[in-house]
Amino acid sequence: DAGVIQSPRHEVTEMGQEVTLRCKPISGHNSLFWYRQTMMRGLELLIYFNNNVPIDDSGMPEDRFSAKMPNASFSTLKIQPSEPRDSAVYFCASSLVLGEQYFGPGTRLTVT
Amino acid sequence: SQQGEEDPQALSIQEGENATMNCSYKTSINNLQWYRQNSGRGLVHLILIRSNEREKHSGRLRVTLDTSKKSSSLLITASRAADTASYFCATDSLVGGGADGLTFGKGTHLIIQP
Repeated sequence: DAGVIQSPRHEVTEMGQEVTLRCKPISGHNSLFWYRQTMMRGLELLIYFNNNVPIDDSGMPEDRFSAKMPNASFSTLKIQPSEPRDSAVYFCASSLVLGEQYFGPGTRLTVT
Repeated sequence: SQQGEEDPQALSIQEGENATMNCSYKTSINNLQWYRQNSGRGLVHLILIRSNEREKHSGRLRVTLDTSKKSSSLLITASRAADTASYFCATDSLVGGGADGLTFGKGTHLIIQP
């Protein structure tokens, strides 16, 4: 298995632009998680899905952030409009067995 | 609020020595997990310990859990240069039943000197 796949690996954009991050979970996994990592705040859970249904989005910082999971093999995290403080590494993770999560390589987002 | 808090924040030891990292958390949990992150990479799951377990081993790793003190420790024995990484503890929430998102500490940065 290729593991969790994220794209793009790096994204540089200007403030105000729309950013879309993509994730393909491990086949057969039924839970998908989006995390954000910064030096100041560490790793934060943004949202997670079980069986493609959003369960908890209380970690989404603002209405500028939205996430979708149209099917079991694909999820997006969108930021519109982006701001410099959104600069971070965004990780997607998936799981099947309760507890253990498998992380993707992350997308490093820089908003100038 | 930060659920898991690791200490020390940074640890530098000589290759072959043992490394011990600690984690404290605040609320009741189903499981506590430890992850490793190499610089610029994603997190890799190391070990999971359930709330009804007190100790668990996996290769050179030993994890303990004290739910009365809401604390855990990760011991890496006979450290190697390749163990250089950041180590995070992560907890779920009791109400989530182990299927919810994780709350991570800020990690311990471990450096193994050759």
